[in-house]
Amino acid sequence: QVQLVESGGGVVQPGRSLRLSCAASGFTFSDYGMHWVRQAPGKGLEWVAVIWYDGRHEYYADSVKGRFTISRDNSKNTVYLQMSSLRAEDTAVYYCASPEGKFGVAHPIDSWGQGTLVTVSS
Amino acid sequence: EIVLTQSPDFQSVTPKEKVTITCRASQSIGSSLHWYQQKPGQSPKLLIKYASQSISGVPSRFSGSGSGTDFTLTINSLETEDAATYYCHQCSSLPWTFGQGTKVEIK
Repeated sequence: QVQLVESGGGVVQPGRSLRLSCAASGFTFSDYGMHWVRQAPGKGLEWVAVIWYDGRHEYYADSVKGRFTISRDNSKNTVYLQMSSLRAEDTAVYYCASPEGKFGVAHPIDSWGQGTLVTVSS
Repeated sequence: EIVLTQSPDFQSVTPKEKVTITCRASQSIGSSLHWYQQKPGQSPKLLIKYASQSISGVPSRFSGSGSGTDFTLTINSLETEDAATYYCHQCSSLPWTFGQGTKVEIK
């Protein structure tokens, strides 16, 4: 079955960078777009970014645009989130997620990782 | 950006009661509206897709309806295991967005 395993979270100072990884298995990774969704402590879900199945296109929430970069390596079945200029308000659990449909991104998300906690604090 | 507004924010319900949660979109999204359930400490789980389509393995007491801008998630005969926060989500137009969530508590 589909498995998504995030890693790379931790405590980081404001203004610094961090890279999250998500290792995927159980499906043909290169056929699916991939998302990052985050959840601040005690708050709701916030969609962060998406990358198309072939890596040719990306899209970001306004709150992270210009600071975060999503990328993927289809040979390693892994998607990344490079986070720069981190702020306290970026503190959240970051989920890697995959949609149910191939190739396009306008499909409901049906698989989620367990999440990795990023804490931005001095 | 399409804003999704859920109501209510919180609902305290006795078992076997019916629960109705609404989600209103700031502009028409057709049927590209999905519902998720999230229990404390867990990742979200897809409950209903495309406004009203059921998901394999999800109990039949969960149903969805609506199109355009107004959507409803209904839980018939609430069970104690349904205590969770419920989110609507649109993927009609980038950026994707979620509603603020509705927490359902069991009395």
